[in-house]
Amino acid sequence: SSELTQDPAVSVALGQTVRITCQGDSLRTYYASWYQQKPGQAPVLVIYGKTNRPSGIPDRFSGSSSGNTASLTITGAQAEDEADYYCNSRDSSGNHRVFGGGTKLTVL
Amino acid sequence: EVQLVESGGGLVQPGGSLRLSCAASGFTFSVYWMSWVRQAPGKGLEWVANINQDGSEKYYVDSVKGRFIISRDNAKNSLYLQMNSLRAEDTAVYYCARDLTGIAFDIWGQGTMVTVSS
Repeated sequence: SSELTQDPAVSVALGQTVRITCQGDSLRTYYASWYQQKPGQAPVLVIYGKTNRPSGIPDRFSGSSSGNTASLTITGAQAEDEADYYCNSRDSSGNHRVFGGGTKLTVL
Repeated sequence: EVQLVESGGGLVQPGGSLRLSCAASGFTFSVYWMSWVRQAPGKGLEWVANINQDGSEKYYVDSVKGRFIISRDNAKNSLYLQMNSLRAEDTAVYYCARDLTGIAFDIWGQGTMVTVSS
């Protein structure tokens, strides 16, 4: 079983704000990174570190962390944000990487 | 252009072997950790293995330990995954990714499909 837990599905109305969460003990020590994956495509990094966005990622994507929970927030969700979102971090040993089970985001 | 291109996937019988390759271009390959990540059909992402810059450190997910071997050739800007004793549950798209030392996977290839079936 995954050491990072995500809600399987979340929905948001167009233009509204949505938060996708990721829980795990290792998040008390390590930051999470977040990936967006659309059908048939490779994952794309959207957030890493404390709240860093790679070049080309819209600023409506942001990240935060508190205790054992990391969050990805989309402020003003767009239709093109409909996708699967995965969190990733180190495991409790620090040597391995682990993904959350993924959250399917539906934009209504 | 920064790019990763995987190759070597295909159909293999249970118990068989396959070697995946990942060709890197557009960046200094030798200064980065690299990882393999897989995704079974209709399932989520699973980290498989990673390797440090000179190949002296390698880590594996428990389910492939002892069967898969990650390696790299910095002179050829290439990453490899030797997969032995393949099982049906290894069926997946395999991605190579640039690994920012536990911070993030910032560059991904397009993936190569491995199907283990008789």
